[in-house]
Amino acid sequence: DIQMTQSPSTLSASVGDRVTITCRASQSIDMWLAWYQQKPGKAPKLLIYKASNVEGGVPSRFSGSGSGTEFTLTISSLQPDDIATYYCHQYNVDSPWTFGQGTKVEIK
Amino acid sequence: QVQLVQSGAEVKRPGASAKISCKTSGYIFTNYAMNWVRQAPGQGFEWMGWINPNTGTPTYAQGFTGRFMFSLDTSASTAYLQIMNLKPEDTAIYYCVYSTQYWGQGSLVTVSS
Repeated sequence: DIQMTQSPSTLSASVGDRVTITCRASQSIDMWLAWYQQKPGKAPKLLIYKASNVEGGVPSRFSGSGSGTEFTLTISSLQPDDIATYYCHQYNVDSPWTFGQGTKVEIK
Repeated sequence: QVQLVQSGAEVKRPGASAKISCKTSGYIFTNYAMNWVRQAPGQGFEWMGWINPNTGTPTYAQGFTGRFMFSLDTSASTAYLQIMNLKPEDTAIYYCVYSTQYWGQGSLVTVSS
């Protein structure tokens, strides 16, 4: 199975900061990567699909980049509503789905 | 508008069975595979497998063979996950997922004596 290594596991930043979360795949997944935001007690919410496509309704401060094995989720200006855990998810064709371990984002 | 509505929380004794439903609407049920994902308390996500909505053929991920069964009622646009011989470590939230984009709200299964 394709392993997804996500970092950092916890991130503490101030409101307005630029925040970056990284996900590395153990082999190339082309651009078959999604990013989710999960708040306590809620289902994950899709933010980014196919590495860099922002899902409809998602604030423009969220962006994704990367291809192959290295991917990044960026929040350009952290807001209090962004407090959540973020997960990457690879859905490469003909491979079992796998997920990163999650990054908990906190306000400093 | 695509919706996946799952059945409610269940509390079961070890050895019992649980059956979770995922009723869909807003899309053609047979167009996309239905995946199932598990999230243990305070943990990340594990992909359990998927079921082909046209053939009803399930594919189970490693670690989810034997006690887990996916099924469909295409006439009701509903997918099911059955877990047999429940163990305490099956305590988790189970999600049905369509096309990475759409997740059910999750069904909590608690296994406790």
